[in-house]
Amino acid sequence: EAGVAQSPRYKIIEKRQSVAFWCNPISGHATLYWYQQILGQGPKLLIQFQNNGVVDDSQLPKDRFSAERLKGVDSTLKIQPAKLEDSAVYLCASSYPGDGETQYFGPGTRLLVL
Amino acid sequence: TQLLEQSPQFLSIQEGENLTVYCNSSSVFSSLQWYRQEPGEGPVLLVTVVTGGEVKKLKRLTFQFGDARKDSSLHITAAQPGDTGLYLCAGVGATNKLIFGTGTLLAVQP
Repeated sequence: EAGVAQSPRYKIIEKRQSVAFWCNPISGHATLYWYQQILGQGPKLLIQFQNNGVVDDSQLPKDRFSAERLKGVDSTLKIQPAKLEDSAVYLCASSYPGDGETQYFGPGTRLLVL
Repeated sequence: TQLLEQSPQFLSIQEGENLTVYCNSSSVFSSLQWYRQEPGEGPVLLVTVVTGGEVKKLKRLTFQFGDARKDSSLHITAAQPGDTGLYLCAGVGATNKLIFGTGTLLAVQP
């Protein structure tokens, strides 16, 4: 079974530029999560989707971050404009209906904002 | 705000030594999970503990959930270099939202 796929793996941009990350969850996983992990810290949930609906986006900085999962499968997370403090690893995870406590994580996208 | 504090933050030990990592919270969780994360990878689930006082063993790893379901510990016996990584506890909240701890970075020297 293929795991959670994320791209790109690395991205370097200058502040005030825009960036987008892509995630393809495990086939059949209805729930998709985006996390931000700052170096040396645990991941922080940004947004949770159930199919193509948002379940929780309470910690998403909505003035600059947006995410969508239009067809209920893959998802994109965008930052516009980026700030220095957005430098982090952005992790995508998915879970299977009925086993929501087990989340499977992708390898992450490492973002550096200069 | 629910917070999970882990201690120690960093741990460097020799192969064969034992160690314990602690995860403490002021909040009660329905269940708690432990993950290990290696460089350049996402966290991988090690165990889920559900019942207060529960003890689970996974080879050389022993996980315990506190009676009040606010704290947990991870004990590794005879650590090996392959145990090196970032250990994260995570409380499971409503809608299966994970609240991760601050992390413990473990380095096991051969």
